Amino acid sequence: DQQVKQNSPSLSVQEGRISILNCDYTNSMFDYFLWYKKYPAEGPTFLISISSIKDKNEDGRFTVFLNKSAKHLSLHIVPSQPGDSAVYFCAANIISGTYKYIFGTGTRLKVLA
Amino acid sequence: NAGVTQTPKFQVLKTGQSMTLQCAQDMNHNSMYWYRQDPGMGLRLIYYSASEGTTDKGEVPNGYNVSRLNKREFSLRLESAAPSQTSVYFCASSEVASYNSPLHFGNGTRLTVT
Repeated sequence: DQQVKQNSPSLSVQEGRISILNCDYTNSMFDYFLWYKKYPAEGPTFLISISSIKDKNEDGRFTVFLNKSAKHLSLHIVPSQPGDSAVYFCAANIISGTYKYIFGTGTRLKVLA
Repeated sequence: NAGVTQTPKFQVLKTGQSMTLQCAQDMNHNSMYWYRQDPGMGLRLIYYSASEGTTDKGEVPNGYNVSRLNKREFSLRLESAAPSQTSVYFCASSEVASYNSPLHFGNGTRLTVT
């Protein structure tokens, strides 16, 4: 059973607009979340993280929002740029638990110029 | 500025053959990991090594063995490859095995088992 779900396999957005990538989780024990970005033929690279004591974390054009009651997080990219075209993975962990991240299946973002 | 280096990049095996995937990191990280990525499944942890001299099973360890050769190197061995092991394999490292120590990934090995 997939504990971390990214229900949109793909998303297309116009350059300059906002991209919103969504992630849902089922395990209420998860309390730390990360987003990774992956280009073709490369490994994933860390983008941004958030712990459950916060509901928002910003880093430049990237903001992650966490809604604990809904078990939902989202990544906002504003403004979107063609170089943001990649696959985005969310991942979840339990701070006090074993170091084993659970990854979602990924969302492919395409930013149209 | 190599980061995490994986070899080979591509490999085709016949069922029953064995092979070792190599991984090395030059960031002086303590922890290393092996993941596999399959369509519709996300990244799944096979084995990890929290520190030199230790290894632990992840989500999907069956059919694999690992060796933490030294602080830099962590290899993954398939003793008798099966078609179900066709996947893209990623090695990763982190400064420590902690929830807030991000993973640094290599570029992957694409393995096909026929």
